Amino acid sequence: GDSVTQMEGPVTLSEEAFLTINCTYTATGYPSLFWYVQYPGEGLQLLLKATKADDKGSNKGFEATYRKETTSFHLEKGSVQVSDSAVYFCALSDLGDYKLSFGAGTTVTVRA
Amino acid sequence: EAGVTQFPSHSVIEKGQTVTLRCDPISGHDNLYWYRRVMGKEIKFLLHFVKESKQDESGMPNNRFLAERTGGTYSTLKVQPAELEDSGVYFCASSRPSQPYGYTFGSGTRLTVV
Repeated sequence: GDSVTQMEGPVTLSEEAFLTINCTYTATGYPSLFWYVQYPGEGLQLLLKATKADDKGSNKGFEATYRKETTSFHLEKGSVQVSDSAVYFCALSDLGDYKLSFGAGTTVTVRA
Repeated sequence: EAGVTQFPSHSVIEKGQTVTLRCDPISGHDNLYWYRRVMGKEIKFLLHFVKESKQDESGMPNNRFLAERTGGTYSTLKVQPAELEDSGVYFCASSRPSQPYGYTFGSGTRLTVV
């Protein structure tokens, strides 16, 4: 079945540091890939997505590229802010199947 | 537009008791999903409604869990009787028929079974 493996946390960074969260997946079909973020006290929000190989999703300074050859969708941000402190979830959805398969989540804390 | 509303936000119950979680989706969102995150692990799919019909309930863990969506509006998820391993955060999400990947998630209900 489909599965997502993401880097375990927690991750603690200083402001303006570079952030990478690794995500790899296993899927039977040709999935769409997503990064969701959960800020403290809020629901999950879609951060970015990519639907085909070599697509790059980007939002709020975050980027992730759909790498079919390595089955990866790593999340990166060049300069994090305190407001980026959150739990980040990598997820996939197989073609024609609307349910999401999530990774375990990575807690990121950014210190001023 | 108003977001997806879940309540209660927190619930602490004793093993063997019954708990009912409620989700109010965004108006006009025919798709409604329940997910669960247990013990800081991955978020897992429970089931999917299209309007009042269960489209996919393959993720429901056992028959102690009952989900309903009468009238195709709000949904309830009842756990009866609750067990310790049911503790976790239960998320609801909804989406329009034309945007199945356009999920809006609620803030979740944190359930603790003691």
